[in-house]
Amino acid sequence: TAGITQAPTSQILAAGRSMTLRCTQDMRHNAMYWYRQDLGLGLRLIHYSNTAGTTGKGEVPDGYSVSRANTDDFPLTLASAVPSQTSVYFCASSEGTSGNEQFFGPGTRLTVL
Amino acid sequence: GQNIDQPTEMTATEGAIVQINCTYQTSGFNGLFWYQQHAGEAPTFLSYNVLDGLEEKGRFSSFLSRSKGYSYLLLKELQMKDSASYLCAVRDSNYQLIWGAGTKLIIKP
Repeated sequence: TAGITQAPTSQILAAGRSMTLRCTQDMRHNAMYWYRQDLGLGLRLIHYSNTAGTTGKGEVPDGYSVSRANTDDFPLTLASAVPSQTSVYFCASSEGTSGNEQFFGPGTRLTVL
Repeated sequence: GQNIDQPTEMTATEGAIVQINCTYQTSGFNGLFWYQQHAGEAPTFLSYNVLDGLEEKGRFSSFLSRSKGYSYLLLKELQMKDSASYLCAVRDSNYQLIWGAGTKLIIKP
């Protein structure tokens, strides 16, 4: 069982370039989330989607966009990367917004130079 | 503002018991979660409390007091594999998780 997959595993990106982080889940979960994790800080929510076709802004949405064309996929796009977007990015999913557990993907380590 | 506080780092001995505390101030409360995260890996779910009291699951237990805005995670019979970060998170009135910075637990033989 794959659960949630993310790609790429890691990436070095030049500032000003665009990039899409991919996330796919095979659990048919309605809700999906993108977080960033930085040293000394808790996970911070970037964007979320409660169901296919809908998205919402989290705590730190600036510089990021998402789409949810179907249940399985939830890509995160950085339109013009900046060094402050250097972080580890985790995608997660849950059955619903009131579900008891979020399942996390393995993460993407992004470095913006 | 919303705030989750937990100690940055704790050290314990293999075979012993350790308690990791978490205090929170959030806009609304719809449950508290504990996750375990090994270095370089994704967080994995440990426990969920929505009512006051103790939830026990094997060697791990989690306690909640909503009136005090307080929870703790209790780990018994510590094993070296328990060396990890432990993340406290509260689901707020918007049903989004607010996360603490995590407690790094170091287990010594």
